[in-house]
Amino acid sequence: GQNIDQPTEMTATEGAIVQINCTYQTSGFNGLFWYQQHAGEAPTFLSYNVLDGLEEKGRFSSFLSRSKGYSYLLLKELQMKDSASYLCAVLDSNYQLIWGAGTKLIIKP
Amino acid sequence: GAVVSQHPSWVICKSGTSVKIECRSLDFQATTMFWYRQFPKQSLMLMATSNEGSKATYEQGVEKDKFLINHASLTLSTLTVTSAHPEDSSFYICSAREGGGSETQYFGPGTRLLVL
Repeated sequence: GQNIDQPTEMTATEGAIVQINCTYQTSGFNGLFWYQQHAGEAPTFLSYNVLDGLEEKGRFSSFLSRSKGYSYLLLKELQMKDSASYLCAVLDSNYQLIWGAGTKLIIKP
Repeated sequence: GAVVSQHPSWVICKSGTSVKIECRSLDFQATTMFWYRQFPKQSLMLMATSNEGSKATYEQGVEKDKFLINHASLTLSTLTVTSAHPEDSSFYICSAREGGGSETQYFGPGTRLLVL
């Protein structure tokens, strides 16, 4: 079966750095997405990785290792507005998007 | 760029009535649109995938006669919840994919449906 694992909840302090991990076992791989979803709102696109390595986009970076079936989302200089759920999703061999359950990130002052 | 709108954002209806939700890609042509449902504190659940001009592909367990999807143009898809019941109350979210090598899905703001 296809499976995506990410922690259910994480807590971090304003101004700090947090890394949200995602591991996956899917039938094929055509890329990995990270989305941010604030409570009561729809997801917004953060990043897409299809090759190994780190992609940096402002305060957010996303890393991928295809051989390990592993990705992380790194958030720097955390702000209170970063409190949200972060969804990892993998595009499988049929170009179907397999969603993780999401990681709820709580930022404390 | 890549803006997707949904209308209405909120709808309250009586049990037994039908509700239509529109999803539009505002600044790009979406070859594929997706409809999701999300219950409180739960993951996104894909309901169906629709390609412009063809019938939607429904996920297992989703009743195609209850959730009617029409993708009439490259910028518009509609979801009609027919004979809605209280258990259909949920957050319905559409997303759109441009295609042509781009796999990113851009989400609409969602529609909250409350069936009394």
